Amino acid sequence: DIQMTQSPSSLSASVGDRVTITCQASQDIRNYLNWYQQKPGKAPKLLIYDASNLETGVPSRFSGSGSGTDFTFTISSLQPEDIAIYYCQQYDNLLFLTFGGGTKVEIK
Amino acid sequence: QVQLQESGPGLVKPSQTLSLTCTLSGGSISSGSYYWTWIRQPAGKGLEWIGRIYTSGSTDYNPSLKSRVTISLDTSNNQFSLKLSSVTAADTAIYYCARDYYGSGSKFDYWGQGTLVTVSS
Repeated sequence: DIQMTQSPSSLSASVGDRVTITCQASQDIRNYLNWYQQKPGKAPKLLIYDASNLETGVPSRFSGSGSGTDFTFTISSLQPEDIAIYYCQQYDNLLFLTFGGGTKVEIK
Repeated sequence: QVQLQESGPGLVKPSQTLSLTCTLSGGSISSGSYYWTWIRQPAGKGLEWIGRIYTSGSTDYNPSLKSRVTISLDTSNNQFSLKLSSVTAADTAIYYCARDYYGSGSKFDYWGQGTLVTVSS
């Protein structure tokens, strides 16, 4: 299986800060990576697909980049409503989809 | 508006079979480029893909759960179901159903709200 490692596991930032989360795959997954946001008590929500494409309706302050084994998710200006856990997910191995361990984002 | 809704018992005894159903509204479960998927999340932990079923009825399962999992489709009721046998406390989790759109790669674009299943005697 393909292991997905996210870092950091948690972070605290101020409103308006730029926030960056990384996700590393245990092998080359091309650009076959999605990012999800999960708010407390809610189901995850798709934000970014194919590593860098913004899902319809998602604010443009969210972005993603990377290919191969190293990926980055960025919130350009952190807002209070962005408090959540963010997960990466690979689909290079379509027979066994796997998620990263998550990054908890809090407001300082 | 696509909506998914999980249903089923919230409490299952150890060694028994967990059974959940996901009902789709706002679309047809038998059309489109979709896999119908189950994902779970133990309390305070990350997401684990359980498996999926295609409109043809073909399935793929997480290798670590494969011996205990069955996912089936009920097109007449626009539903798909999960059965997980021989459950233990480690299977206690929130279970989500989701739509996996593979028309462009793969992405979980719609999710149910999730249902908590507790395994306890």
